[in-house]
Amino acid sequence: QKEVEQDPGPLSVPEGAIVSLNCTYSNSAFQYFMWYRQYSRKGPELLMYTYSSGNKEDGRFTAQVDKSSKYISLFIRDSQPSDSATYLCAMSETFYGGATNKLIFGTGTLLAVQP
Amino acid sequence: DAGVIQSPRHEVTEMGQEVTLRCKPISGHNSLFWYRQTMMRGLELLIYFNNNVPIDDSGMPEDRFSAKMPNASFSTLKIQPSEPRDSAVYFCATNPPTGPSGYTFGSGTRLTVV
Repeated sequence: QKEVEQDPGPLSVPEGAIVSLNCTYSNSAFQYFMWYRQYSRKGPELLMYTYSSGNKEDGRFTAQVDKSSKYISLFIRDSQPSDSATYLCAMSETFYGGATNKLIFGTGTLLAVQP
Repeated sequence: DAGVIQSPRHEVTEMGQEVTLRCKPISGHNSLFWYRQTMMRGLELLIYFNNNVPIDDSGMPEDRFSAKMPNASFSTLKIQPSEPRDSAVYFCATNPPTGPSGYTFGSGTRLTVV
């Protein structure tokens, strides 16, 4: 079993829809949860991060963490064609920078927002 | 800041040849990570360095893979000899010494071994 599981999709939605992207994990020591967005032929870029359980909102994006279920989600409201990309979840046991912040990634979900 | 710089962007080589991928981290970032990305396996961590010292190379698939970081401004990932199954996109990512933070990725090197 992989440490982090993510549905690869692809997920196709119409413009304006609410998108829900999810990951599950097995390592209960994970404390730091991130979402990356990767456009075609580019490197992943950090979208948002959360620490421990709870919600975090940033514009149209909301990240949720449920540590009791080992489940994290990213919601995108009012989705736009420019949101079309691969979304990767990532997790680590530590919060701060440096080499201790070893991230484990999900395989990514390909999202297409149709105009 | 120019970000994490990787070269070359694309590499096509014949099986058995040596391949060297290069990475220049962001100035001040003291941790460097090499990842490989494929459709089947996603992003796999190969090796990472802290202050130029290799910390964990358990993700390196075989002895054909090696990585070095001779100074804070440069790292290489070498495959010798290369095989078709090494075809993938190889990413370098760096991290500053304090956080909270996430990795900053380069644009990757797309390697094709024929």
